[in-house]
This record gives sequence, C-alpha cells and structure tokens, in this order.
Amino acid sequence: AQTVTQSQPEMSVQEAETVTLSCTYDTSESDYYLFWYKQPPSRQMILVIRQEAYKQQNATENRFSVNFQKAAKSFSLKISDSQLGDAAMYFCAYGVYNNNDMRFGAGTRLTVKP
Amino acid sequence: GAVVSQHPSWVICKSGTSVKIECRSLDFQATTMFWYRQFPKQSLMLMATSNEGSKATYEQGVEKDKFLINHASLTLSTLTVTSAHPEDSSFYICSALTPLIPGYKLRTDTQYFGPGTRLTVL
Repeated sequence: AQTVTQSQPEMSVQEAETVTLSCTYDTSESDYYLFWYKQPPSRQMILVIRQEAYKQQNATENRFSVNFQKAAKSFSLKISDSQLGDAAMYFCAYGVYNNNDMRFGAGTRLTVKP
Repeated sequence: GAVVSQHPSWVICKSGTSVKIECRSLDFQATTMFWYRQFPKQSLMLMATSNEGSKATYEQGVEKDKFLINHASLTLSTLTVTSAHPEDSSFYICSALTPLIPGYKLRTDTQYFGPGTRLTVL
C-alpha cells in the first residue's frame, strides 16, 4: 500500500525567509503524481503544486518549488520569500493516474512570523 | 477555473435525522468525485469514490448504508448521512477529478476540493 510520510508536524519561518517542508512516500508504481496542498484556517484545500513522476524537472509555481528525488522517494516543498498568507497546514499527497487512490500525509503546520 | 462548491457549509441537526451534502463542479465535468472526512488537526481520510452513473466505492470501515452517495450527473455528487449520531460530527470535504484529456484547459487528472461542510449532530 502506498504511504505518505510528513515527519515535521510543525514548522516555523520568518517572513521573507525560505522554508522547506519534507515528504517521503512509499510505492511500487513507476508512474504517479505527487502534490502539495495547502489548507488555511478556512479549511479550503488549495492545490499548491503538482509533479508527475516521469518528469525529471522539478515543478515550480512562483515562490513554490519542489525537490523531487524519485529514487529516494522524497518530495520536499520549498517556499521562498515566505508571506504571512502562507501560514497553513500543508499536506503532501500521492496519486496514481486516474487519481482514484490519492493518499495524504499527516500534514505540517507552517507558522510565519512577522 | 476548477471551482468546486459544497452546500451547505455548515449544518446542525438532531440525532437520528438525515443530512444531505451536495458537491458540485462548477466549470468542468467530473466523472469521478471523492468524499473525505477530516477530524480536528488530522489529515483527510478518504471515505468513498463516486463515479457518475455507477455505485460508489467505499473505503474499508465506512458504512455504505450510513453514508449514501449518489453521483447523479457529471457535475453533482451528494453525500447523505443517514440517522446521524454525535459521532458522525466532523468536517466533510468533497473533491472532483479533472478529466485526463491532453490539452485540457485545466490541470488534468487532478483533484480540486470543495470548501467543506461542518456537520454537528446534537
């Protein structure tokens, strides 16, 4: 069974600084997706970034980028120039094609200090 | 794009009554929708997968007779909590899966989430 592990229950970053959230996963599949979702206090799940496993290039979305290490089954999220609005729970997720079985990690609560 | 709505956003009901929650994909057709449950300070737990025109697939441990799912159209799935009890109080979130179509206007094969429904059973 696929599992997703986020080993950092809480992280803190100073405004304008950079923070990296860790995620590892376990799978026997060769083709899959990885995601980072953000859940602010409103509890609306927001897609932050997506990575296809077959792509070697790391995905980036403005201030958000990932470090995807397929062999190590690692998928970390880097947030640059952190803003107060980045404060939220961040969930790492894994899904196979057709995405019928997406699994979430336990989440990392990110606090941004002004 | 990729907007998913959920209604109601919160509901309070008496024990023994039934509650229906609607999930709609507003700007795309979703053959597959998902229902999750989230307890405070915990991750999302998949309850069931809803496919348009067919029976929902429930995760192990989820009572299909208690949590009725109907995917009536390509833009609407409903979750009915029957004979609700206080232990059913939770935050329920739906998501809709975008189609796997090359060149699609939205990110393909990606789940987009509704804003959630907070259910409180007295």
